Parts: sequence; C-alpha cells; structure tokens
Amino acid sequence: QLQLVQSGAEVKNPGASVKVSCEASGYTFTEHYLHWVRQAPGQGLEWVGWIHPKKGDTRYAQKFQGRVSLTRDTSVDTAYLELRMLTSDDTAIYYCARQLGISSLWELWGRGTLVTVSS
Amino acid sequence: QTVVTQEPSLSVSPGGTVTLTCDLNSGSVSTANFPSWYRQTPGQTPRILIYDAYRRVPGVPDRFSGSILGNKAALTITGAQADDECDYYCVLCLSSAIWVIGGGTKLTVL
Repeated sequence: QLQLVQSGAEVKNPGASVKVSCEASGYTFTEHYLHWVRQAPGQGLEWVGWIHPKKGDTRYAQKFQGRVSLTRDTSVDTAYLELRMLTSDDTAIYYCARQLGISSLWELWGRGTLVTVSS
Repeated sequence: QTVVTQEPSLSVSPGGTVTLTCDLNSGSVSTANFPSWYRQTPGQTPRILIYDAYRRVPGVPDRFSGSILGNKAALTITGAQADDECDYYCVLCLSSAIWVIGGGTKLTVL
C-alpha cells in the first residue's frame, strides 16, 4: 500500500533533541525525494528540508542549518528527522512528503507527528 | 532572506471567481520555480491541487487552475463552492534547490 507512516507524538524538554521517523511503503524508497514540513499550532506550513534516499543528499532551510539532520536507512525504507536544541518554538506537527520525480508534485504525505516542547 | 507572500485572507461569493497570488521578494516567479498550490482544512494534511505552475493533479476539479500572472504565481478558483473555504498555500523552489512556502491565504466563501 502506497503510504508514509510516521512515528508517534513526542514530548520533549527544552534543550533536548527529537528524532521523527517516516517509513515508506508501496514504492521504491530510493527513487524519490522526501521533504519535511512543519506546522506550529494555528500557524502556516514551513519547509524544513529534503533528503534523497538514494545517496542521502540533503538540503536544509537556512533557519534550521546546524540544528537539523535528515537521514535515512534504506534497509527499512525509513527517513528520519532529528532536531536538536529544542525550544517551545519547535512545538509543531512535522510532516514528511514524497516528491514525485523532478517536479513540485508532493502528492504523498505522512499524517504528521506532533512534537511538543515543554518543561 | 527569501520570503514568499500570499494574501492573508480573501473572500469570494458562491459561484464567483477568485485569484490567489504568490509573490517572491527576491524577484519574479516563473515556471523555473515549479510553483505548486495546496489546500488544507483544519486538522487535515495538506492536499496538493496544482504543481509545476499549471498542472492539475488528477481528481482535482477543473475549477482550480494555476498560472503565472505577471511576476507572480496564481491560483484561480472559478465557480467557488462552499467547501473551497479553507487555507491555501503556495510552494516555490529556489535556484539552490531550497524550497519556500508562502504564509497561506485563508479563503472565505460567503
């Protein structure tokens, strides 16, 4: 079945790190870019970065440079987002989304993972 | 810093036509930015409507159309319906393979 299944909600203390997973199924994981997008409560969408699972190439939004890592494990068709030095501003739903080919067609999305940063 | 600007809110009458735009502070938007448009209702995952500026995703009603108008990307809804009331986001690809998402437009149908 074609889907992206994300890990469950997380609650973290300020200053901690979080690692969210996105497991792909129903297609060849290494053939398509995966983007990460977040949405703070009541706010708009924000692009975090992308990874191409074949070689692990990545690009990050400048805002997150140095604090985020996108990785993948091709043996389990899973991509990961790790965000470090969390603050309350990082409280958001984090989505992964597949880009189809060389286009802007992000047609397959995970259901999102809520990350709450609170002391 | 690159900023993508959308109208914060717009309204349209049922059956009317409305155009949402997507502007880039660093220059003109073109097909090279691969503009795409999403809709999102509260509590739901974003759903793509238009990609590569004007390509409609299969299953999306043809009352939704994408274009480049002047130096902006645009999403036009012709014959608006009540369930078109939601948030709309544009997404652009910059030359450095960095992507940027607009602040969103809250569309009201009344």
